[in-house]
Amino acid sequence: QPVLTQPTSLSASPGASARFTCTLRSGINVGTYRIFWYQQKPGSLPRYLLRYKSDSDKQQGSGVPSRFSGSKDGSTNAGLLLISGLQSEDEADYYCAIWYSTTVVFGGGTKLTVL
Amino acid sequence: EVQLLESGGGLVQPGGSLRLSCAASGFTFSGYAMSWVRQAPGKGLEWVSSLSGSGGNTFYADSVKGRFTISRDNSKNTLFLQINSLRAEDTAVYYCAKGQDYTDNMLDNWGQGTLVTVSS
Repeated sequence: QPVLTQPTSLSASPGASARFTCTLRSGINVGTYRIFWYQQKPGSLPRYLLRYKSDSDKQQGSGVPSRFSGSKDGSTNAGLLLISGLQSEDEADYYCAIWYSTTVVFGGGTKLTVL
Repeated sequence: EVQLLESGGGLVQPGGSLRLSCAASGFTFSGYAMSWVRQAPGKGLEWVSSLSGSGGNTFYADSVKGRFTISRDNSKNTLFLQINSLRAEDTAVYYCAKGQDYTDNMLDNWGQGTLVTVSS
């Protein structure tokens, strides 16, 4: 079982909200980790969006709008990325990552389609 | 403004070697951990290696351990990745990325990437 699991795809309408999940493997407690989120548009380099561990330990990436936010769901052991007010330009791949056992671990990525 | 500019990629035969470089500017290079991340064509992101601001602590993915060597020259604000015994599965865009602080290897700025193609 991978360390981080992300759904392959997600679709939502312009103006709506999108909720991305990043589920940590059983036995790895989401509460312990800073969850990092990255956006990658086709043909472009990844962009750091934000990190979230708790409301007192979070960081927004430089120039990232406040409609991008992070949170956690302890009941499902998952990190969450929330995008409100979806725009067509948000269409991209979204990756989560953590520092785990002296390695950077990425999730497989979720492709967001805005339609 | 943080800028990271990779170079050194190209076409290489299986078993060959390459040395990738990443020229950094816009921040105090020696104060930050640095990493390499790769992305095979049509695939997701795969972390390769990281090292601390001094270069004293290095970390590698199991898939490259023993074949890749990460290093840095803080006097020249440059990060390196020596890649040996290349395999077809090493074909990817290799990104240089900046860490969050001196020892925090999580990534907050990325370069444009350099393409490594391993093929005969």
